[in-house]
Amino acid sequence: GQQVQQSPTSLVLQEGENAELQCNFSTSLNSMQWFYQRPGGSLISVFYNPSGTKQSGRLTSTTVIKERRSSLHISSSQITDSGTYLCAVNMGYKLTFGTGTSLLVDP
Amino acid sequence: ETAVFQTPNYHVTQVGNEVSFNCKQTLGHDTMYWYKQDSKKLLKIMFSYNNKQLIVNETVPRRFSPQSSDKAHLNLRIKSVEPEDSAVYLCATGGEQFFGPGTRLTVL
Repeated sequence: GQQVQQSPTSLVLQEGENAELQCNFSTSLNSMQWFYQRPGGSLISVFYNPSGTKQSGRLTSTTVIKERRSSLHISSSQITDSGTYLCAVNMGYKLTFGTGTSLLVDP
Repeated sequence: ETAVFQTPNYHVTQVGNEVSFNCKQTLGHDTMYWYKQDSKKLLKIMFSYNNKQLIVNETVPRRFSPQSSDKAHLNLRIKSVEPEDSAVYLCATGGEQFFGPGTRLTVL
């Protein structure tokens, strides 16, 4: 089965609303990463988060390895946050990706 | 600041042709990777290299062959392309992985 599962699959927000994206993984791992991708764009590393909580501006990532889950919180969403958010787990010399959450922020 | 460079950006070719994609990283990492992103945006590892040595080969068809001249370069050759090879090929480097802009391949 799918080793990395993300939810929701898609999300529509009004500008200014908050969002919580989930990532669950079914295997032990070395670390995990959150990426952001615009349509037709490359992957931008948002967080590299082996464990614990990290914050960067309006984004916060919390990873609990023992519970095999990670979340990405977006506060006060902006139109420019629209795109796909991917989580990936590192199980040794490779990343295994989830299927992504497609986020659309409307004005 | 771009630190993983890929060429070409796009490539359109016919079934059966050979193609080569190049990747260079300037971050000084020992590890480099090739990933494939299909039309449904699913990303899957193809190859992992550590200091020019192949570490991971994820059940990729034999027509795909990676080539590493040094730890800063990892190229990908596809001997005889097939329609299902149409995808975006992404190169990455590092433990915390940084990705290049990708090469979009279209096989007619």
